[in-house]
Amino acid sequence: GAVVSQHPSWVICKSGTSVKIECRSLDFQATTMFWYRQFPKQSLMLMATSNEGSKATYEQGVEKDKFLINHASLTLSTLTVTSAHPEDSSFYICSEGLAGDGEQFFGPGTRLTVL
Amino acid sequence: AQTVTQSQPEMSVQEAETVTLSCTYDTSESDYYLFWYKQPPSRQMILVIRQEAYKQQNATENRFSVNFQKAAKSFSLKISDSQLGDAAMYFCAYRSPTYKYIFGTGTRLKVLA
Repeated sequence: GAVVSQHPSWVICKSGTSVKIECRSLDFQATTMFWYRQFPKQSLMLMATSNEGSKATYEQGVEKDKFLINHASLTLSTLTVTSAHPEDSSFYICSEGLAGDGEQFFGPGTRLTVL
Repeated sequence: AQTVTQSQPEMSVQEAETVTLSCTYDTSESDYYLFWYKQPPSRQMILVIRQEAYKQQNATENRFSVNFQKAAKSFSLKISDSQLGDAAMYFCAYRSPTYKYIFGTGTRLKVLA
């Protein structure tokens, strides 16, 4: 299957700062990438769907001005958490989706802790 | 709106025994995909098995098989000959025709030696 990497794997930041998380498709050109967040002991919640070269589609309740998603190339999508607050602390996971068989390939995730 | 329900927050199975994890979903669509993903302590999501809704035959992958009941909107996962490495969180997931994925709340599987 496809290989997806995320960077950084963990980050600690101060409240009010912005944090950028990168998601890279290492062996596949992904036209569609997905961003999820997962709180401790909870399920994955889809935040947005990112298509290369176009604006991301955000799920209801997700602030697009706070969670900026850029998918400038077929191999890179970024999620920027702007003006982070402690309640934004979570595990963020990206994935790339394949058309046809419907499978997703997940990155290893990024743990964000906002102090 | 589509929903995915996993009613078993936690399950235990003896090593080498068989366990079944339940999943139900709700959708008005006829063409979709269903998945079981495993999330070990490393948090890396791993695909266990997938099922296309248009296929009546239940998917199998080695020790893993599903019981797909389309009319009942049920999609259970059976793990045979359970191994210690099977211990993880298991998520049932639905993919809509519009490519939207919805995950259930997960079932934590413990494997007892």
